[in-house]
Amino acid sequence: DAGVTQSPTHLIKTRGQQVTLRCSPKSGHDTVSWYQQALGQGPQFIFQYYEEEERQRGNFPDRFSGHQFPNYSSELNVNALLLGDSALYLCASSLRVFWVDTQYFGPGTRLTVL
Amino acid sequence: LAKTTQPISMDSYEGQEVNITCSHNNIATNDYITWYQQFPSQGPRFIIQGYKTKVTNEVASLFIPADRKSSTLSLPRVSLSDTAVYYCLVGDPGGDSNYQLIWGAGTKLIIKP
Repeated sequence: DAGVTQSPTHLIKTRGQQVTLRCSPKSGHDTVSWYQQALGQGPQFIFQYYEEEERQRGNFPDRFSGHQFPNYSSELNVNALLLGDSALYLCASSLRVFWVDTQYFGPGTRLTVL
Repeated sequence: LAKTTQPISMDSYEGQEVNITCSHNNIATNDYITWYQQFPSQGPRFIIQGYKTKVTNEVASLFIPADRKSSTLSLPRVSLSDTAVYYCLVGDPGGDSNYQLIWGAGTKLIIKP
């Protein structure tokens, strides 16, 4: 049973560019959440997708956008990259089973903005 | 959303039992407590989740007192490979405003030989 997968593993971009990160959820999961983790800090919630719609959003600017496909996979897009966007981007999948729900994380994509 | 407070770092030795306590004074009625482990440059890994009293699985135990204002993650007989950052999170997994779990800086656990 494949866990959460993310691509690419590493990415280097320059300021002002755009980037797309991809995530495939754990088999059987229907919900995908994205997090940004700066070095030495805990993950910060960006947004969550369920049924191809953004359900929740953290305190991130509109430069951060996403999409969920019918097969539950998801993309995170970041426009007009800033140096401060350099971080580990984590995707987590879960199943919206009532009451008890646990997120499973992928290995992350390390984004470096120069 | 309930915030959590954990020690920034802890040291222990191989074979010892390690207890990491998390404070969550404003935990809500529907909130669960979840612990994750994270190694450098990897995604967090779910360890254990509980609501009250005691929960045990193959890797850890979670102790939650009756007032639920704190919780303790217990790792039995740690090894060097348990060196990692441990996060305590509180949130309502079944609520409409779920998933915006607030992550602190976690507890950096260092296991020494």
